[in-house]
Amino acid sequence: DTAVSQTPKYLVTQMGNDKSIKCEQNLGHDTMYWYKQDSKKFLKIMFSYNNKELIINETVPNRFSPKSPDKAHLNLHINSLELGDSAVYFCASSQVTQGGDTQYFGPGTRLTVL
Amino acid sequence: GESVGLHLPTLSVQEGDNSIINCAYSNSASDYFIWYKQESGKGPQFIIDIRSNMDKRQGQRVTVLLNKTVKHLSLQIAATQPGDSAVYFCAEMGAMTTDSWGKLQFGAGTQVVVTP
Repeated sequence: DTAVSQTPKYLVTQMGNDKSIKCEQNLGHDTMYWYKQDSKKFLKIMFSYNNKELIINETVPNRFSPKSPDKAHLNLHINSLELGDSAVYFCASSQVTQGGDTQYFGPGTRLTVL
Repeated sequence: GESVGLHLPTLSVQEGDNSIINCAYSNSASDYFIWYKQESGKGPQFIIDIRSNMDKRQGQRVTVLLNKTVKHLSLQIAATQPGDSAVYFCAEMGAMTTDSWGKLQFGAGTQVVVTP
């Protein structure tokens, strides 16, 4: 029973193409995120949605468009892919409480742009 | 063994020894801190967290220490096992009342290698 799942796990595509990555969580969390991890393993937040509403957008190029059809899903669509988009993309989810905002991550999607 | 994050990105530890992974965080207003473990080919996995109103928290074989005065966070792993080999990240977040709530800022990561 995977808590946060992503598809596909690997994505290899040509520059200029448009691609989507899907994420689903079965934890009942209200908030979902997309992170990008570069080749040096640096993790940086891209977007966050709370109950289908965009709440964090970290100056990501507008070629990246997240979409949340419901609070259990957050998809990432990327237009006109560039070489620099090659990275591992992680989806995460959390339920904010007074104690904190522990984010649980999916297994990642390794995107390679040729 | 000990690491100092960015300056010593790899920590080699003998099986059975205790590990200490250090992290210097940047924002004095950070209120919430998490340690994650990332194994090769997998996503970051939650280990333990701590709020800024605490200076120590213990879990199963792990302890997190927070020193707000010098903006330093450490993760101690007792009796390190081969399964502990991974990259460890510290992450910080601002208080709920700030713009940085929800935005986990990750450190650079420390590779821990457990040798038999």
